[in-house]
Parts: sequence; structure tokens; C-alpha cells
Amino acid sequence: QVQLVQSGSELKKPGASVKVSCKASGYTFTSYAMNWVRQAPGQGLEWMGWINTNTGDPTYAQGFTGRLAFSLDTSVSTAYLQISSLKAEDTAVYYCARGGDGYNYWGQGTLVTVSS
Amino acid sequence: DIVMTQSPDSLAVSLGERATINCKSSQSVLYSSNNKNYLAWYQQRPGQPPNLLIYWASTRESGVPDRFSGSGSGTDFTLTISTLQAEDVAVYYCQQYFSTPETFGQGTKVEIK
Repeated sequence: QVQLVQSGSELKKPGASVKVSCKASGYTFTSYAMNWVRQAPGQGLEWMGWINTNTGDPTYAQGFTGRLAFSLDTSVSTAYLQISSLKAEDTAVYYCARGGDGYNYWGQGTLVTVSS
Repeated sequence: DIVMTQSPDSLAVSLGERATINCKSSQSVLYSSNNKNYLAWYQQRPGQPPNLLIYWASTRESGVPDRFSGSGSGTDFTLTISTLQAEDVAVYYCQQYFSTPETFGQGTKVEIK
């Protein structure tokens, strides 16, 4: 069965960087795009961008450009999200979600807390 | 960017009654070449990731109960829960995947009256 398993919670200081992983199984990794969505505490869903798992080409939402980096390791069917220069307002649960006709598979979420 | 606006922000419905959530996009999400609306609906229960209910505006995802239905075209869409069950208490989001950024509505919280 399809699964997306994300790395564990992170506590970071402002200005630091974080890298979240999303390991896919149960399907051909390069057949579907991977999207990243975040959710601040008590807030709605915010689309961050997606990565073409065939070419590695990323597309970032405006407002994140320069601080976000999506990457892949197709040998282990894993997508990565890196955020640099973290701010308190980056505190959120970060989800990976498989692309397609809607996002029909989601990771369990990774809580990133940014606090001094 | 396409702005997605849901209404209401919250609603309370009695068990067994109908719940209706509206979603309006700032521009059409209907792709004329295939006549498909690039609109999805998700359910998110507390502490859980979102769960896809509906795609192409009206196609139910496999395993989703048939009390959930989606309708609409162009810029105006509706998610209907025909007979509300206790397990339907959640926040519901619409999302357009017509163009990037693939924006979400702000969410509608459904509770039991």
C-alpha cells in the first residue's frame, strides 16, 4: 500500500535551517509529483510548492523563494524539504503529499517549532 | 494567484441532517480542452493529515462514503454531506489545482448541533 513516512519533530532556533524527509513506498516514486503543504497552529493549509520527481525541477510558492529548497534521492524514494533562515512564524506542521488528481496520499506531518 | 473562498467558516448540523459547504474561486478552474474542473475537497480531523474526498469537483475518491458529494463548475462549487454522522466532525477544505500556487480555501469547521 502507498505510504509517505516523514521524519520526526524538530525544535530549531531562529535563523537556523531544518531539513524534513518524506519517504515514499508502495508505488513508483518517479511517477508522481511531490507537493509540500504546511499548517501553522490552528490555521489552514498553505501550499508551499512541488517537485517533479522525474526531473528534480522544483516550483516554489511566492513568499518562500530563497529560503526553500526541495530535493530528491530517487535511490531511496525520498523527497526532502529544507527551510533556511527560520523565523518564529515558520512554526507549523509540514506535510508532503503525492500529486495527481488531488492529493490522495499524505505524510503524517512533521512539526517544526522555531523558538529561542 | 487564484483565491479560494469558502462559506460558511463554520456550521453546526444535527446528526442525520444535511451539511452544505460552498467554495468560490476568483477565476474559473474549468479547463476547456478536457471540460474538467480542477477542484478537490479534503476532510481534516483533529491531529490528522487531510484526507481527499472529492476530485475533478464531483468524483468521489475510492473508499469515501457516498453521503459525500461534490458539485459545481467554473467558479462555484459545493460539498454536500447528505446525512451527517458523528465521524464527519472535521474541517473541510477546497483546493484548486488548475494553476500554481495550488491554493486552498480557508476551511469550514463542521460540528454537531
